[in-house]
Amino acid sequence: DAGVIQSPRHEVTEMGQEVTLRCKPISGHDYLFWYRQTMMRGLELLIYFNNNVPIDDSGMPEDRFSAKMPNASFSTLKIQPSEPRDSAVYFCASSFRTSGGAETQYFGPGTRLLVL
Amino acid sequence: GQSLEQPSEVTAVEGAIVQINCTYQTSGFYGLSWYQQHDGGAPTFLSYNALDGLEETGRFSSFLSRSDSYGYLLLQELQMKDSASYFCAVRGSGNTGKLIFGQGTTLQVKP
Repeated sequence: DAGVIQSPRHEVTEMGQEVTLRCKPISGHDYLFWYRQTMMRGLELLIYFNNNVPIDDSGMPEDRFSAKMPNASFSTLKIQPSEPRDSAVYFCASSFRTSGGAETQYFGPGTRLLVL
Repeated sequence: GQSLEQPSEVTAVEGAIVQINCTYQTSGFYGLSWYQQHDGGAPTFLSYNALDGLEETGRFSSFLSRSDSYGYLLLQELQMKDSASYFCAVRGSGNTGKLIFGQGTTLQVKP
């Protein structure tokens, strides 16, 4: 398996522009997570899906952020309009729920977003 | 609520042993995980403890004491490539699929 795939890997945009981040989870995984990582705030969970359904979006910072998962193999995180404080590394991760055990989360390489 | 505490930085020399501690507060406990993240990379899974005791995987070991709400990651025979950030994480309350991560410990291995 290719692992979790994210695109783009780097994004530089200007304040006010719309940004769309994409993620393809590992085939067969039923959980998908979006994280944001900054030096100041560490690794923050933004939202996660189970079987394509959003379960917990309490980490989404504000209405400018939205996420969708139209099918089991694709998810998007959209920021509209973007602001400089959104500059961060955004990770997508997926996992497979088991009856016990670690439920290891597999992270994608991340999208490094810079909003000017 | 849920929270985890771990030291922000640890420094050690090559060949040494280092222990990274993690204390947690959770409403319901479903296991403690450890992840490694190299600078510029993504977090990767290292180990998981659901029961008390020590789990060993090569040079890395992880320990859990549920009664103390405490765990640690032990790295032996340190190598330069072990320089990275290490995160402990617990499952969300209600045994949900999400993980709550600590702030991470940056390990610097010196020659």
